[in-house]
Amino acid sequence: GIQVEQSPPDLILQEGANSTLRCNFSDSVNNLQWFHQNPWGQLINLFYIPSGTKQNGRLSATTVATERYSLLYISSSQTTDSGVYFCAVGSKSTFGDGTTLTVKP
Amino acid sequence: DTGVSQDPRHKITKRGQNVTFRCDPISEHNRLYWYRQTLGQGPEFLTYFQNEAQLEKSRLLSDRFSAERPKGSFSTLEIQRTEQGDSAMYLCASSPQPRRVGTDTQYFGPGTRLTVL
Repeated sequence: GIQVEQSPPDLILQEGANSTLRCNFSDSVNNLQWFHQNPWGQLINLFYIPSGTKQNGRLSATTVATERYSLLYISSSQTTDSGVYFCAVGSKSTFGDGTTLTVKP
Repeated sequence: DTGVSQDPRHKITKRGQNVTFRCDPISEHNRLYWYRQTLGQGPEFLTYFQNEAQLEKSRLLSDRFSAERPKGSFSTLEIQRTEQGDSAMYLCASSPQPRRVGTDTQYFGPGTRLTVL
């Protein structure tokens, strides 16, 4: 099956800083999503982005399908951005192990 | 649109008992997914329905697990003869029939946390 690797596993930022989260996957896919899991466990869909670039407010994502990676950018981070960020790829939504982001005030 | 709901939110049971969870997807979403998530890991795919048809099952779904979506609306996930290793968060997600390639967005429910003693 598809292997999904996310980096870094943990990230600690001061409020206002920018960050880049990476998702590498082992096979070509036509389905890639980024999710944020808040401290209460709720998974929120951020982007459906099998290729190209999308932006939503302070968040943007880029997937380079031919090179099998995706990046999630968070600008001007806020404490409410804390939580775990997952990418999920493929028709069975294979998830990586996530990046745990902590934004300190 | 009230979002995906799951019931119960928490379940504590003794080893060997049967448990059943319910998921109500967003109305008119014809795709429904079940996942299992353990601490520190990403969700793992269990099974997927399109309307009432169960189209895919993970090898993680042993014969003690069964899922149904009888009328293509809500779904149930039953675990028979629970084991301590079944303790996890069980997540449900739904998505609409994609109108075009690139729009298969999944919306997750809050999950059911199962603890097997």
